[in-house]
Amino acid sequence: AQTIHQWPVAEIKAVGSPLSLGCTIKGKSSPNLYWYWQATGGTLQQLFYSITVGQVESVVQLNLSASRPKDDQFILSTEKLLLSHSGFYLCAWSPGTGGAQDTQYFGPGTRLLVL
Amino acid sequence: QQQVRQSPQSLTVWEGETAILNCSYENSAFDYFPWYQQFPGEGPALLIAIRSVSDKKEDGRFTIFFNKREKKLSLHITDSQPGDSATYFCAASQGGSAKLIFGEGTKLTVSS
Repeated sequence: AQTIHQWPVAEIKAVGSPLSLGCTIKGKSSPNLYWYWQATGGTLQQLFYSITVGQVESVVQLNLSASRPKDDQFILSTEKLLLSHSGFYLCAWSPGTGGAQDTQYFGPGTRLLVL
Repeated sequence: QQQVRQSPQSLTVWEGETAILNCSYENSAFDYFPWYQQFPGEGPALLIAIRSVSDKKEDGRFTIFFNKREKKLSLHITDSQPGDSATYFCAASQGGSAKLIFGEGTKLTVSS
């Protein structure tokens, strides 16, 4: 069975400070990986997706960047946090090949508060 | 513009009743529509999904009705339980695309 782990569970950071959030998928080789952002009480906004190691596509610009250093790892980062970065960050995966390639499964999320 | 819309924003039903959550979309190229259930503080969980070649998908107490001509779909939850109280998101994508577009969500409360 596939498992998805996100770290940290929660962060409180100062405006202007750097940020790094991580996501790891176990039990699935070559998955497609995704980062989403969700404001409190809001919808989910897709930020980035990656179909292979070293390749990341940006969906929306929010002064964030993403990288995929390993097949099972996806990193979201920024050098300078803004107040507007507060929210719930979710990592998701979908099968890279085979049926139901577009079915996405979400991780538990990281809660970020920027002060 | 919002490509996927949901209504109502919030819904309260009594235990045992049927809850009906609505979703509409603009892009006629969308062909895959998953519904996600999210509890506070948790990531969304895939509940049920339908592809545009079907007009109905059933899984236990959860049924999706799909009207391609009107670009509308609805999620029916029969025999609603207090444990069904959550926010439900309708989403859409096209042709196996990596881009999944979410609606604003419907917050369902089931009272006992």
